[in-house]
Amino acid sequence: GAGVSQSPSNKVTEKGKDVELRCDPISGHTALYWYRQSLGQGLEFLIYFQGNSAPDKSGLPSDRFSAERTGGSVSTLTIQRTQQEDSAVYLCASSPPGQGVGDTQYFGPGTRLTVL
Amino acid sequence: AQKITQTQPGMFVQEKEAVTLDCTYDTSDPSYGLFWYKQPSSGEMIFLIYQGSYDQQNATEGRYSLNFQKARKSANLVISASQLGDSAMYFCAMRGSQGGYQKVTFGTGTKLQVIP
Repeated sequence: GAGVSQSPSNKVTEKGKDVELRCDPISGHTALYWYRQSLGQGLEFLIYFQGNSAPDKSGLPSDRFSAERTGGSVSTLTIQRTQQEDSAVYLCASSPPGQGVGDTQYFGPGTRLTVL
Repeated sequence: AQKITQTQPGMFVQEKEAVTLDCTYDTSDPSYGLFWYKQPSSGEMIFLIYQGSYDQQNATEGRYSLNFQKARKSANLVISASQLGDSAMYFCAMRGSQGGYQKVTFGTGTKLQVIP
């Protein structure tokens, strides 16, 4: 079946503009995660969704970042008034329901965001 | 708080040899899961192997095995018979049982280069 998809694959924007990044999880996966990966770095947790609710938003770096998920499926990560330090690869992952600590995350290909 | 430490920023291995990538972790959770992911230059995170904290045996998946030493809080990845296609970044990650399983903590990664 289809894996996690993300769009766009690349986004170049000017400082101060708003951007929207989209994630389509694997069908039936109830959990959805957003991460940020700066060049040569590990993964920074941003936000987690269980269904349409986001019980953990602790990783969002500022109030310029927001995310929503509709219909328990597609999620959109929005960055307002982008800054150059927002440049990174944004990765989305989804997990099937109910395995607890063993929930495996399946990742999308990422969106490479460049803020000029 | 959870913490994953990968102390090897880069490793070289001769093709067909075995290599061990180190991972140590710190958590107060009684139950947790440990994961290894591979990230080739294409950028996508690929799930390799999982070990549960209560699993009695070390996990194996093909050429990958996880050397789990609970008392030492280490979860090293062993790749046997290295292939050129194994050249990639490798990330160790952990999911804990507190807070509803949602947060996964990643290490900073090890860059593995396989030499022909």
